[in-house]
Order: sequence, then C-alpha cells, then structure tokens
Amino acid sequence: QKEVEQNSGPLSVPEGAIASLNCTYSDRGSQSFFWYRQYSGKSPELIMSIYSNGDKEDGRFTAQLNKASQYVSLLIRDSQPSDSATYLCAVLGRALTFGSGTRLQVQP
Amino acid sequence: NAGVTQTPKFQVLKTGQSMTLQCAQDMNHNSMYWYRQDPGMGLRLIYYSASEGTTDKGEVPNGYNVSRLNKREFSLRLESAAPSQTSVYFCASSEGTGNYEQYFGPGTRLTVT
Repeated sequence: QKEVEQNSGPLSVPEGAIASLNCTYSDRGSQSFFWYRQYSGKSPELIMSIYSNGDKEDGRFTAQLNKASQYVSLLIRDSQPSDSATYLCAVLGRALTFGSGTRLQVQP
Repeated sequence: NAGVTQTPKFQVLKTGQSMTLQCAQDMNHNSMYWYRQDPGMGLRLIYYSASEGTTDKGEVPNGYNVSRLNKREFSLRLESAAPSQTSVYFCASSEGTGNYEQYFGPGTRLTVT
C-alpha cells in the first residue's frame, strides 16, 4: 500500500463547477497535510495547508481533513480553465510524502 | 526576493560523468530538500538538511551525495551518472521547527545517455 494515494485522473469538470480531489494516507500519526498545484513543466506550488480536522477555506479552495478516516480532500469552487493542472497531496510523517497527483481538466 | 533558485535548468550527461546541481534560497529557511520526480512516481525525497550542518538520507539516496554549504545553499552531486538518474530534480526549503510548508525551486531537467 502506498503511503499517500490519489486517483491519477484525469478528473474532468466543466467551467464553473466544483472540482473535488481526494487523498488517503496510511500513517495514523501524520499531523500536517498540504496541497500543491503543479502545471505541466513547472514546479509544485503550495496552495493549502491543513493541520486540524474539519474544513479550511482560502478563496475558491477548501481543504477538508478527517484524521479518523485518514483522508484529506481539496474542493475547488467555480473551477476555471486556469485551474487545469496536477494536484499533489502531501502528508508529513518523518518526512513529507507526496502522492502521485490527480490531473484536473476544466473544460471551457 | 527570488525564493528558491536552481542551476542549471537543463543538463545532458553521458553515463559515468559527474555533476553538481546547485540550490540556493533567500527566505532564511532552516531546512532544505532535494527531490526527484519521475512520470507516475510522484516526488521522491533524495536527501534533506534539517538545519545548517546536518544532512540525512531520504527515500532514494543511492548514487547521490549532498552538501549543505551554508544556510542558503544545498547542493546535490551525482558522482557517476546512470540512465536511471534521468529525471527532473527539485530543490525545496522550509522554515522547519513547527512550520513545514515547503517551497520549491524551478527544477533541473537531467538526461543521462
């Protein structure tokens, strides 16, 4: 079992819709969780961090954490074509472990 | 404020050649990291430096060495390049000690033939 699992996608949503990206992790002791966005050919860019159970909102982005179920998700409201990218989930245990990413395609 | 910078951006090596990838950050961060990214494999940690003067192995350290030259700079050396080291290499930094948000450099695309 991979330590951090994401569906590779692509996840295709129409412009203006809500995109929902999910991530599960295996280390129950993990305390810090991050979402990165990576455009093709570019480096990962931090978009959200979350440390406590529940929701954290930042503009159009909402991160959700459920430690009991060991999953973290990212919702993108009012999706735009510019949101088309690969989204990486990262979980901090002994070191920061990344999932393989979910490719999001927002159709105009 | 450049953030994290890396040189070179692209490099082609022949098998057996050596090279050093350079990384510098101007955010006064304590911790620095080297990752490689391969298609379908995600980012994998090669080495990290939690603070100046310390380095530790990550998930895939074989074939690499690192030097934390000072607080700003962290280099990655390939002593004898192999085709399996063809990858994109990213350097990252974080404040460390309570704040582990990592910020990435632009990457080095390395091809070993």
